[in-house]
Amino acid sequence: GNSVTQMEGPVTLSEEAFLTINCTYTATGYPSLFWYVQYPGEGLQLLLKATKADDKGSNKGFEATYRKETTSFHLEKGSVQVSDSAVYFCALSDRSSASKIIFGSGTRLSIRP
Amino acid sequence: NAGVTQTPKFQVLKTGQSMTLQCAQDMNHNSMYWYRQDPGMGLRLIYYSASEGTTDKGEVPNGYNVSRLNKREFSLRLESAAPSQTSVYFCASGGLIVNEQFFGPGTRLTVL
Repeated sequence: GNSVTQMEGPVTLSEEAFLTINCTYTATGYPSLFWYVQYPGEGLQLLLKATKADDKGSNKGFEATYRKETTSFHLEKGSVQVSDSAVYFCALSDRSSASKIIFGSGTRLSIRP
Repeated sequence: NAGVTQTPKFQVLKTGQSMTLQCAQDMNHNSMYWYRQDPGMGLRLIYYSASEGTTDKGEVPNGYNVSRLNKREFSLRLESAAPSQTSVYFCASGGLIVNEQFFGPGTRLTVL
């Protein structure tokens, strides 16, 4: 079945460091891929998405490229800020899954000033 | 544009009590979902509704019931609360084209 695997946290970085959070997926067909972010005490927010191979999603300085050959959708940011501290979830949606989204387990990111 | 709203934000119950969590969306989405989030467990799907008039079980449906009241509203009911149902509950609604989901702010439920 469909699944999402993302790197375990917590990840702790200093401000202005480069961020990569790895995400790989297993799916039949051609899924859409997402990154969601959850700030402390809040619900999940869609951060970015990509709907087909080689698409690059971007938002708030974050980027992720849909790589079908490696079944990956790694999240990157060139210079993180303290305000980026949150939990990040990789997810996929496949039309065959009856509108459901499969979420990864989440990666907690903490940024030191 | 309110998006997805949930009530209440916080609730404390005693074991055996019942309650209903309310969810509403104003984005004209067909699909709606209920998740629970527990420390170290990520998000787990409880029930979902792919369209008005239909509901289906998710990963962890035991102890819960749902009602899709109309296209806007999707409620989650705990008939006899248990301490194992202490969690944060999120409602979400889904877009049509790429199935991206939009989440409410959550309900923090404690069962004593």
